[in-house]
Amino acid sequence: QKEVEQNSGPLSVPEGAIASLNCTYSDRGSQSFFWYRQYSGKSPELIMFIYSNGDKEDGRFTAQLNKASQYVSLLIRDSQPSDSATYLCAVPSGNTPLVFGKGTRLSVIA
Amino acid sequence: EAGVTQFPSHSVIEKGQTVTLRCDPISGHDNLYWYRRVMGKEIKFLLHFVKESKQDESGMPNNRFLAERTGGTYSTLKVQPAELEDSGVYFCASSLSGQGYGYTFGSGTRLTVV
Repeated sequence: QKEVEQNSGPLSVPEGAIASLNCTYSDRGSQSFFWYRQYSGKSPELIMFIYSNGDKEDGRFTAQLNKASQYVSLLIRDSQPSDSATYLCAVPSGNTPLVFGKGTRLSVIA
Repeated sequence: EAGVTQFPSHSVIEKGQTVTLRCDPISGHDNLYWYRRVMGKEIKFLLHFVKESKQDESGMPNNRFLAERTGGTYSTLKVQPAELEDSGVYFCASSLSGQGYGYTFGSGTRLTVV
């Protein structure tokens, strides 16, 4: 069973700070990595994906991938209270569907 | 573009009854997935359709669950007979084919078996 591990949190950060969310995965063959955001009672929403080692930036979000360490992270700069949600890391492997982590609950305190 | 549509949004049924969930994927998305989230647990994969064919149903918990995708369009997931442990939120997602396409999720069906 391929695994995706996340710290469930809650992770609390003050408004304006950087939130750092981490994810490790077990399948060394994984090639693409996805971050979803899920507000309470809502469906997961894709916010970032990354394929290559290094950083990928999109607005206030930066995904970081280190395949050697089997580690992917999501940084949220200038965190806002509206960023408060559960962030899910998801990893496919070859043709198999996405495997989700349990998610990290982020709370941004105004 | 219409998103992934699921209904009903909520369903409360008694143990032993039958429930059918429906998912309409985004038009043109060959891939359709069913996932389930039980309270406090991670979102778990149930099965994957490519068009009308079941590509992977390794996540289906048991033979009380039956999924169909006739004609490769919408899909249904039937639970018969429902048990208490089937309660949770059932998500459907669809995607284009190919490496790296993220899934678009529907809003989910919250199933409560009492």
